[in-house]
Amino acid sequence: AQSVTQLGSHVSVSEGALVLLRCNYSSSVPPYLFWYVQYPNQGLQLLLKYTSAATLVKGINGFEAEFKKSETSFHLTKPSAHMSDAAEYFCAVIHAGNMLTFGGGTRLMVKP
Amino acid sequence: DAMVIQNPRYQVTQFGKPVTLSCSQTLNHNVMYWYQQKSSQAPKLLFHYYDKDFNNEADTPDNFQSRRPNTSFCFLDIRSPGLGDAAMYLCATSRERVLAGYEQYFGPGTRLTVT
Repeated sequence: AQSVTQLGSHVSVSEGALVLLRCNYSSSVPPYLFWYVQYPNQGLQLLLKYTSAATLVKGINGFEAEFKKSETSFHLTKPSAHMSDAAEYFCAVIHAGNMLTFGGGTRLMVKP
Repeated sequence: DAMVIQNPRYQVTQFGKPVTLSCSQTLNHNVMYWYQQKSSQAPKLLFHYYDKDFNNEADTPDNFQSRRPNTSFCFLDIRSPGLGDAAMYLCATSRERVLAGYEQYFGPGTRLTVT
């Protein structure tokens, strides 16, 4: 079964600093990968997705992620953090049952 | 705007008292999903409908049921809520099955409290 691992359940950055949220997947075939963001007491919102087209995927709110097959990684980055980026971020992969499997989530905190 | 709507946003029920959560969508998507999300955890899929075809996850308790009377609406019924069922319940939709690369669109969730 495919799975995803998010390294770091909590990440804290200063406003204006680089955001790097890590996601590694296990897959024997090229996967579909997603990053979702969840603000407090809200549903999940899609940031970006990888579907085997370009390896560098640009998403909403200035986020992007790079698919690296050799490292089985799909890390999420943003050059400059804003206070409004503080939220929970989930990496997800499609598994054999056509369903999404989510990573454990990373809570991003942005310090002024 | 096309969207996924969940009502109510907050629901309080008593231990053992049946409760129904509702979800509607204006996206005309074929697939609707129900997830349970406990505090500081990832969403856990309970079941999904592909059109009228119901698909239950193997570890979803029998206490949880679902109905999809038409394309737009889907309901989650908890027959006898226990304290452990307190969670955020998320409804999601996708145009087709996710394997085709179609993302899921989530509603805002219903936070269930069991007293």
